[in-house]
Amino acid sequence: DGGITQSPKYLFRKEGQNVTLSCEQNLNHDAMYWYRQDPGQGLRLIYYSQIVNDFQKGDIAEGYSVSREKKESFPLTVTSAQKNPTAFYLCASRERPGETQYFGPGTRLLVL
Amino acid sequence: GQQVMQIPQYQHVQEGEDFTTYCNSSTTLSNIQWYKQRPGGHPVFLIQLVKSGEVKKQKRLTFQFGEAKKNSSLHITATQTTDVGTYFCAGTSGTYKYIFGTGTRLKVLA
Repeated sequence: DGGITQSPKYLFRKEGQNVTLSCEQNLNHDAMYWYRQDPGQGLRLIYYSQIVNDFQKGDIAEGYSVSREKKESFPLTVTSAQKNPTAFYLCASRERPGETQYFGPGTRLLVL
Repeated sequence: GQQVMQIPQYQHVQEGEDFTTYCNSSTTLSNIQWYKQRPGGHPVFLIQLVKSGEVKKQKRLTFQFGEAKKNSSLHITATQTTDVGTYFCAGTSGTYKYIFGTGTRLKVLA
């Protein structure tokens, strides 16, 4: 919510192409997260970053890559190695451990 | 690994009826958060519970955290059509990772 932007809202990709999803926050939060949500399902963690220039794999990192060169930005690349990339991708950020996560509006990726 | 189960998966209620969703973790949690996701939207933070046995209220919503800090519940009194959506719990065990429950999808029939 508020202060986290994701673009684009909808993204269409041809099979075999890499695509990068943007996530920007102006909340000065240290930690940022990427989740994947499939229809009717919960959220699964792809990658997370606690500080700049550091990130860790989540539960479903295969086929994805991230970078954290700036505190406010945490882009996610969906590579051609991701076999089933069609999903709703949500970015979140949090100021300190144990505090609330705030979510961006999400990007819906559709592979054609 | 740590798992968070949420029941029921779906719930249809008549407007004015009460609704409860339950969240159970396989491990003790440091805190638990509840989110609401409207159809087509993104999760919106509702509340965080930290203390064992904690109870918090937001108007018609009552949130509880179990004494053992392994389970939690969200109760809505006298549901309204605006309550429609999926309710998620998310727990953390002191790490940076949050484990989300599977969600309970609520439909309110007018």
